[in-house]
Amino acid sequence: QKEVEQDPGPLSVPEGAIVSLNCTYSNSAFQYFMWYRQYSRKGPELLMYTYSSGNKEDGRFTAQVDKSSKYISLFIRDSQPSDSATYLCAMSVGRTGNQFYFGTGTSLTVIP
Amino acid sequence: EPEVTQTPSHQVTQMGQEVILRCVPISNHLYFYWYRQILGQKVEFLVSFYNNEISEKSEIFDDQFSVERPDGSNFTLKIRSTKLEDSAMYFCASSTNTGVLREQYFGPGTRLTVT
Repeated sequence: QKEVEQDPGPLSVPEGAIVSLNCTYSNSAFQYFMWYRQYSRKGPELLMYTYSSGNKEDGRFTAQVDKSSKYISLFIRDSQPSDSATYLCAMSVGRTGNQFYFGTGTSLTVIP
Repeated sequence: EPEVTQTPSHQVTQMGQEVILRCVPISNHLYFYWYRQILGQKVEFLVSFYNNEISEKSEIFDDQFSVERPDGSNFTLKIRSTKLEDSAMYFCASSTNTGVLREQYFGPGTRLTVT
């Protein structure tokens, strides 16, 4: 059973576009939802996290969680070439040393 | 800004050999993790470690794997007898003991190539 599903892309958008990245999941016990950004041959870097359902905004980034649909999204407004990377969603059941379940990652290229 | 460091950046080994991958977590972090990412595939959890013992491990983390915190700063992953399918990027991560979410901070990874 695949815990987390994510469209691998690749996704290519012009600079300034709004980008929508999505993941679905099957485990209703997930409560923490994270988005990581990974540049080529680097480790994942935490962008944002949300707990349970709802929206969270940080600058140009907005994370949404819909637990009823088991669906999470990351929106990037006014996308920049520096946003070009692979975006990974990750989820966990709890806080204490729990493993994170990652999606496959979506490769994003923002064209100047 | 404090960061997780890993050495070596690239390790080439022959099948059947033992390898030790090394990590220096962020100094005030108490939880430590190893993940691997086979080329083109998702990041997969291997093991988490807290208070000098394994707190959780995945089915990937079989008897050929072991982890150790030999001193106050290093955290190691040992693969006893490497197989071709162990070729992957291995990421170390660490997290604090406080906060709403114990965010895991990842190191840059060690690329392991088994020939």
